[in-house]
Amino acid sequence: DADVTQTPRNRITKTGKRIMLECSQTKGHDRMYWYRQDPGLGLRLIYYSFDVKDINKGEISDGYSVSRQAQAKFSLSLESAIPNQTALYFCATSSAGGTYQETQYFGPGTRLLVL
Amino acid sequence: GESVGLHLPTLSVQEGDNSIINCAYSNSASDYFIWYKQESGKGPQFIIDIRSNMDKRQGQRVTVLLNKTVKHLSLQIAATQPGDSAVYFCAENIGGGDKIIFGKGTRLHILP
Repeated sequence: DADVTQTPRNRITKTGKRIMLECSQTKGHDRMYWYRQDPGLGLRLIYYSFDVKDINKGEISDGYSVSRQAQAKFSLSLESAIPNQTALYFCATSSAGGTYQETQYFGPGTRLLVL
Repeated sequence: GESVGLHLPTLSVQEGDNSIINCAYSNSASDYFIWYKQESGKGPQFIIDIRSNMDKRQGQRVTVLLNKTVKHLSLQIAATQPGDSAVYFCAENIGGGDKIIFGKGTRLHILP
């Protein structure tokens, strides 16, 4: 069974629609992340959460919001989707870092197309 | 200037040969580095990491080398196999901070 799952795996929506991408993990990690991946641009951090009460903006948070419903669940919302939010979205988790950041474990991704 | 576009750098390697994938970083405060492998249709998968107090670390068929003087990181894959075909990302963490910064990736193509 996958440790980090994302739903849906693929989604097509229209401009202006609100959509939610969900992420669940069974690794028992405190830290969760949302990234987007665009061709040739690598991974860019949208939001991250170090525990249920902690939410932080990443590099490209505009147009997105998140909710950490539980230690195991972290959802990403697009309040009003626009075409340039078409991308591959990844959720990731890591354990608490201590002195150093710990390795991140990624879900399988959600492919989003905004028409 | 920085090249931004749809085309990743590509490394083509004969099956059985060794592969060397390079990565340059710019922040001298970066102290933790990771290599990820991303196969088509999948999320990035951890391969190996290295702390800045080391200059070499070995795993199973992989070796990461860190040269802090020139801010260069490399991933060496021994006896490259068809299953090694993927995009490889280096990532860095700056000074024990909250975030990991990912590079743009290199596509490894295995020639039969």
